[in-house]
Amino acid sequence: GQNIDQPTEMTATEGAIVQINCTYQTSGFNGLFWYQQHAGEAPTFLSYNVLDGLEEKGRFSSFLSRSKGYSYLLLKELQMKDSASYLCAVSDSNYQLIWGAGTKLIIKP
Amino acid sequence: DTGVSQDPRHKITKRGQNVTFRCDPISEHNRLYWYRQTLGQGPEFLTYFQNEAQLEKSRLLSDRFSAERPKGSFSTLEIQRTEQGDSAMYLCASSLEGIDGANVLTFGAGSRLTVL
Repeated sequence: GQNIDQPTEMTATEGAIVQINCTYQTSGFNGLFWYQQHAGEAPTFLSYNVLDGLEEKGRFSSFLSRSKGYSYLLLKELQMKDSASYLCAVSDSNYQLIWGAGTKLIIKP
Repeated sequence: DTGVSQDPRHKITKRGQNVTFRCDPISEHNRLYWYRQTLGQGPEFLTYFQNEAQLEKSRLLSDRFSAERPKGSFSTLEIQRTEQGDSAMYLCASSLEGIDGANVLTFGAGSRLTVL
């Protein structure tokens, strides 16, 4: 079967750094996405990785290791507005997105 | 462009009634998706259109669910004989088929359904 695993909830302090992990087992791989979703709102695109390595975009970075079926999203200089759920999704062999359940990130002052 | 629009934003209905949701995608996007999301879960795929053709429909989707995308523009999702288990957020997303394989979805704000 296809499976995406990520922690249910994480807590971090404003100004700090947090790493949200995602492991996956899918039939085929055509890229991994991270989306941010604030409570009651739609998911918004953060990053896309298809090759191994680190993609940096401002305060957010995403890493991929295809051989390990592993990715992480790194958030630096945390702000209160970063409190949200972070969804990991993998594009499978049919280019359909398989979604994780999301990691709820709580930022404390 | 105002992004992906969904209507209504909230719908409360009684069990057994039919409901219809509308999605207006980003105009230049040729792909349109419907997802369902419940609290604490990721989006669950329902169906997908490329232009006006419905290319895939989840096996989890019962016959009570139907979607259309006439003329490859807006789309409607109808749920017949609603059940309490249908209560969820129904998300629409659109994308433009890209040559680099990065099919980035832009989501609408969703239509929240409550079945009493």
